[in-house]
Amino acid sequence: KAGVTQTPRYLIKTRGQQVTLSCSPISGHRSVSWYQQTPGQGLQFLFEYFSETQRNKGNFPGRFSGRQFSNSRSEMNVSTLELGDSALYLCASSVSGANVLTFGAGSRLTVL
Amino acid sequence: DQQVKQNSPSLSVQEGRISILNCDYTNSMFDYFLWYKKYPAEGPTFLISISSIKDKNEDGRFTVFLNKSAKHLSLHIVPSQPGDSAVYFCAALIEGKSTFGDGTTLTVKP
Repeated sequence: KAGVTQTPRYLIKTRGQQVTLSCSPISGHRSVSWYQQTPGQGLQFLFEYFSETQRNKGNFPGRFSGRQFSNSRSEMNVSTLELGDSALYLCASSVSGANVLTFGAGSRLTVL
Repeated sequence: DQQVKQNSPSLSVQEGRISILNCDYTNSMFDYFLWYKKYPAEGPTFLISISSIKDKNEDGRFTVFLNKSAKHLSLHIVPSQPGDSAVYFCAALIEGKSTFGDGTTLTVKP
């Protein structure tokens, strides 16, 4: 079956712009989580959605937001981009209650 | 305060030898632990897991050890192969929510 699909894979933005990233989970997975990976910072948890509701949220400013649609697809948005937002953004899906996450390949954002 | 730490950013071993990757955590409430492997340009993939009620889990060349009193987790790869070269993340869970370490880059030399 198809894995977790993230689009776009690469994008370049300038400071002050906003960006929207998309994630299509594995069919049947209703939980979608987002992580930010920067060099030396590991995977920082952004938020988790389940059945269109945000279930958990990490320690990121309000410029980072997300949503989930009825088909479990999810989007995350970053407004007023800063240079420090340059990172790999990873989406992961899971069956509710499962401990193992299945990750997409990520969206690499570069902010100039 | 970082709850899950991988203190070695990198590790280099010779093919055929043992690779030992370490992970320390601070929260005794973590009830499940996993290791993920990540190749460049790919997302992390699940490798092996262990419940807090166990102290060892083995899957082929991969074994995870859990020392709850020391709040320490380790991944052993025996024998190491060049294809094992990747970034390894440990993750600790409470009520299904994952907290990741910063990762260790393993290089296995032929």
